[in-house]
Amino acid sequence: GDSVTQMEGPVTLSEEAFLTINCTYTATGYPSLFWYVQYPGEGLQLLLKATKADDKGSNKGFEATYRKETTSFHLEKGSVQVSDSAVYFCALIRDNTGKLIFGQGTTLQVKP
Amino acid sequence: DAGVIQSPRHEVTEMGQEVTLRCKPISGHDYLFWYRQTMMRGLELLIYFNNNVPIDDSGMPEDRFSAKMPNASFSTLKIQPSEPRDSAVYFCASSFLGRTGTEAFFGQGTRLTVV
Repeated sequence: GDSVTQMEGPVTLSEEAFLTINCTYTATGYPSLFWYVQYPGEGLQLLLKATKADDKGSNKGFEATYRKETTSFHLEKGSVQVSDSAVYFCALIRDNTGKLIFGQGTTLQVKP
Repeated sequence: DAGVIQSPRHEVTEMGQEVTLRCKPISGHDYLFWYRQTMMRGLELLIYFNNNVPIDDSGMPEDRFSAKMPNASFSTLKIQPSEPRDSAVYFCASSFLGRTGTEAFFGQGTRLTVV
């Protein structure tokens, strides 16, 4: 079945460091890919998305590129801030089912 | 639109009691999802509906759990009888799949504690 795998956390970085959170997926067909962010005590919010191969999603300085050849959608940010501390979830939807599947989440801690 | 609305935000109940969680999706959305989040298991999809019809309930842990969607603006997740291991945050989300890539919107969640 469809699945999403993320790198284990927590990831601890100093402010202004470069961030990469790896995400790979398994799915038949052509899924759409998403990154969601969850701040403490809140629900999940969409961070960015990409709907087809080679698309790049971006928002708030975060970027991710849909790589069909490596079935990956890695999240990157050039300079993290303390306010970026949260849990990040990679997810996919196969457009013929509507089923939204999440990875296990990666906790990011940014220290001043 | 006020977004996806869940109630209650917090629920504390005794083992063996019935618990009902409620969700109002965003108007016009045709998919509704129920997720459970725990430290040990992460975010698990329990069940999802399309146009009020359950499509996949394979994530429902056991017969104590049931979900309904009587109309496009309301869904419930019921646990009867509740057990301490059901303690978790339960999220409802909705989406409109009119075109590829439409994202799901999440409610604030219901934090359930079964003592």
